[in-house]
Amino acid sequence: GQQVMQIPQYQHVQEGEDFTTYCNSSTTLSNIQWYKQRPGGHPVFLIQLVKSGEVKKQKRLTFQFGEAKKNSSLHITATQTTDVGTYFCAGIYGHSGGGADGLTFGKGTHLIIQP
Amino acid sequence: GAVVSQHPSRVICKSGTSVKIECRSLDFQATTMFWYRQFPKKSLMLMATSNEGSKATYEQGVEKDKFLINHASLTLSTLTVTSAHPEDSSFYICSASTGLGGYTFGSGTRLTVV
Repeated sequence: GQQVMQIPQYQHVQEGEDFTTYCNSSTTLSNIQWYKQRPGGHPVFLIQLVKSGEVKKQKRLTFQFGEAKKNSSLHITATQTTDVGTYFCAGIYGHSGGGADGLTFGKGTHLIIQP
Repeated sequence: GAVVSQHPSRVICKSGTSVKIECRSLDFQATTMFWYRQFPKKSLMLMATSNEGSKATYEQGVEKDKFLINHASLTLSTLTVTSAHPEDSSFYICSASTGLGGYTFGSGTRLTVV
């Protein structure tokens, strides 16, 4: 079946260091979304990437969508303690942004920041 | 912004009983809602797609007779876990597309079956 692989599973960084998580799909995605989940909380939408090779930035966060629309990455520059949480990528294999397709989540990357 | 309200947030039930979880879109209409299950420190697994006015679409391996989904209106979807067993204990969470990109998630329901 369709799967989204995400690595690493855990990442320990010192505060101020950069962090990157990667997602890869064996088949082409319609679009990919990124979510952040704090311990005990629910996923919160960060961004959606639709176009091949798309790059979007949100302050210290940079999101990329591969040219083949099979892989994506999230990079955080100069991490802060508020960045702690689990970052999930979630792909859609169906209609682009149609809202009628469930998300296929990666396993998530748990970001742990040491002060 | 688009908000999805989910109740209850926590429920403990006895084995063999049924539990209903509600998911409401508060400020938008959701013709489609999705139900996920999440085990501790694990990813979210799509269980089913709930369509207003029609039958839900279940993912492979999800028992439709055990996890009953009803989407009676454009703002309400319910998931009923029937004849619950301890292995059904999990975090259940709903979501809906806002039409603005991305999906809004409910706050989740932690079900414990004893």
